[in-house]
Amino acid sequence: AQKVTQAQTEISVVEKEDVTLDCVYETRDTTYYLFWYKQPPSGELVFLIRRNSFDEQNEISGRYSWNFQKSTSSFNFTITASQVVDSAVYFCALSDSGGSNYKLTFGKGTLLTVNP
Amino acid sequence: KAGVTQTPRYLIKTRGQQVTLSCSPISGHRSVSWYQQTPGQGLQFLFEYFSETQRNKGNFPGRFSGRQFSNSRSEMNVSTLELGDSALYLCASSLASRTDTQYFGPGTRLTVL
Repeated sequence: AQKVTQAQTEISVVEKEDVTLDCVYETRDTTYYLFWYKQPPSGELVFLIRRNSFDEQNEISGRYSWNFQKSTSSFNFTITASQVVDSAVYFCALSDSGGSNYKLTFGKGTLLTVNP
Repeated sequence: KAGVTQTPRYLIKTRGQQVTLSCSPISGHRSVSWYQQTPGQGLQFLFEYFSETQRNKGNFPGRFSGRQFSNSRSEMNVSTLELGDSALYLCASSLASRTDTQYFGPGTRLTVL
């Protein structure tokens, strides 16, 4: 069965600090996809990144970066020089290769609060 | 391109009633999935529709049902509402493949009194 664990329930930082959100996943599939979504107070889940299991290259997008390590089944997300607008709940999610039971499995989320 | 839209945004119902929620996917997207979000259980998959057929279903009672129309718009229905059905219901659309990225709508906040 698929499982996503986000051990950090809440994180509070001061603006301009760097912050890393942890994500550990479990799956029996060799082909799978990992995602990060952001949920601001408005409620809509905003897509941030999608990564397949065969691509372990780290990715950077502006202040955001992602570290994918299959050896430790982790897909961590780092925000550099955090800003107040980064305050939201962040979800890590996993989907399999498209078998009969395809679905997105989400972690419980990490509430990030960036204080001015 | 317009995003995923959901109507209504807020609903208040009483126990025993039924409710229908609507979702319009991004233009060109043919797959629609529904999720329930509660503080206790987090985000849980309800079902997925593709080409008017339910392609996958989560572990929810039969009171939860859905359908998809030929224009890919989808509705979900909850009958005989219970207090525990109070939640944010999120709809997501994707192109077609089960592995395509899902894009979410703003959700419908359902309160059952």
